[in-house]
Amino acid sequence: EVVMTQSPATLSVSPGERATLSCRASQSVRSNLVWYQQKPGQAPRLLMYSASTRATGIPARFSGSGSGTEFTLTISSLQSEDFAVYYCQQSDNWPPEGTFGQGTKVEIK
Amino acid sequence: QMQLVESGGGVVQPGGSLRLSCAASEPTFGNYAMHWVRQAPDKGLEWLAFTRFDGSIKDYADSVKGRFSISRDNSKRMLYLQMHSLRFEDTGVYHCANDFGFKERPLGYFDNWGQGTLVIVSS
Repeated sequence: EVVMTQSPATLSVSPGERATLSCRASQSVRSNLVWYQQKPGQAPRLLMYSASTRATGIPARFSGSGSGTEFTLTISSLQSEDFAVYYCQQSDNWPPEGTFGQGTKVEIK
Repeated sequence: QMQLVESGGGVVQPGGSLRLSCAASEPTFGNYAMHWVRQAPDKGLEWLAFTRFDGSIKDYADSVKGRFSISRDNSKRMLYLQMHSLRFEDTGVYHCANDFGFKERPLGYFDNWGQGTLVIVSS
């Protein structure tokens, strides 16, 4: 089973600053990496797939990069609505059992 | 964009059963594989079950295999999760979500999600 590890667990950032979130896979998942955003009391929202393709309606300040085992989600200039928990998920293996990272909480500094 | 609304959650004793439902807003529901994903209180996301767009193939996480059963009725745009032999650790919010892939090509990640329905297993 591929284990996904996100870091840091919590990221404190001021509005307008850049946020960089990391996701590491225990073995290569090629470019099959997905990011979700979840705000309190809400369902997760698909942000990014294939490591670097923004989902429909996702602002350009969100960008994804990486392949193999190392991936990054960057939020170029944090807006108030971006404070949330972000999860990565590898989609290289089927079924999707155990494919999520544990999440990174982006909080206001 | 497909809207998904779950229902059927509640408080149940250990060993009990519950049936969750997920109603889809769009007639395109029948074109997509569907999943159930669980989130324990203040925890991360856990995939539980999958059904192919036509219901012909199903798959389950080991943690629920033999206890949970996923099904769908495309004519009613409904997805279901029948849960038996519930355990304390099954407590959480249960989300339905459609697969990002189309028909015979599920991709194993999740496009539209419902808000979820809360299941509490407690004595």
